Amino acid sequence: DQQVKQNSPSLSVQEGRISILNCDYTNSMFDYFLWYKKYPAEGPTFLISISSIKDKNEDGRFTVFLNKSAKHLSLHIVPSQPGDSAVYFCAASSAQGGSEKLVFGKGTKLTVNP
Amino acid sequence: GAVVSQHPSRVICKSGTSVKIECRSLDFQATTMFWYRQFPKQSLMLMATSNEGSKATYEQGVEKDKFLINHASLTLSTLTVTSAHPEDSSFYICSAISDPNTEAFFGQGTRLTVV
Repeated sequence: DQQVKQNSPSLSVQEGRISILNCDYTNSMFDYFLWYKKYPAEGPTFLISISSIKDKNEDGRFTVFLNKSAKHLSLHIVPSQPGDSAVYFCAASSAQGGSEKLVFGKGTKLTVNP
Repeated sequence: GAVVSQHPSRVICKSGTSVKIECRSLDFQATTMFWYRQFPKQSLMLMATSNEGSKATYEQGVEKDKFLINHASLTLSTLTVTSAHPEDSSFYICSAISDPNTEAFFGQGTRLTVV
């Protein structure tokens, strides 16, 4: 049973436009959500996170929105740049026993065309 | 941001041999380290969680005798793939956190190929 779902395996947008990456989760115990960016053959790089007590967090061109009632979060990148082309992973966690285990979605490959 | 170094980045080994992968937190003390495996076109799958000085907690379906994890210090965790088989070929990634309320930082990953 997949607890974190990224239903779009790929997304292609034009440079300068907005990229919207979506993520759904099923476990209501999740209270912290993160987005990671990953290039081939490299480890994921942390991008932005949001706690369940918030519904929006913004950092430069990146904004994450959380809709707890819908168990849905999204990452907005605006304006999109060719260097943003990568695989984006949504991850969720619930702090249990002092260790946070991340549960990842399958990722969405973003391609930003010049 | 914090730096997690993973070594080696690539390794090729023969079937039946053992391979050790190191994960080091360079500028912070990692109370907890995680080991992931990524199959082609699939998500990162958590293999085990290790806390410094204690035994690792393995996820269901992960053989603890095959994937030996040692977290001997606050800056180093190792994953040893014992008696490697071709099906163990994969991309292994570690991550580390300093406390439960911080985001995890990932190593660069290790591409293991068993021939």
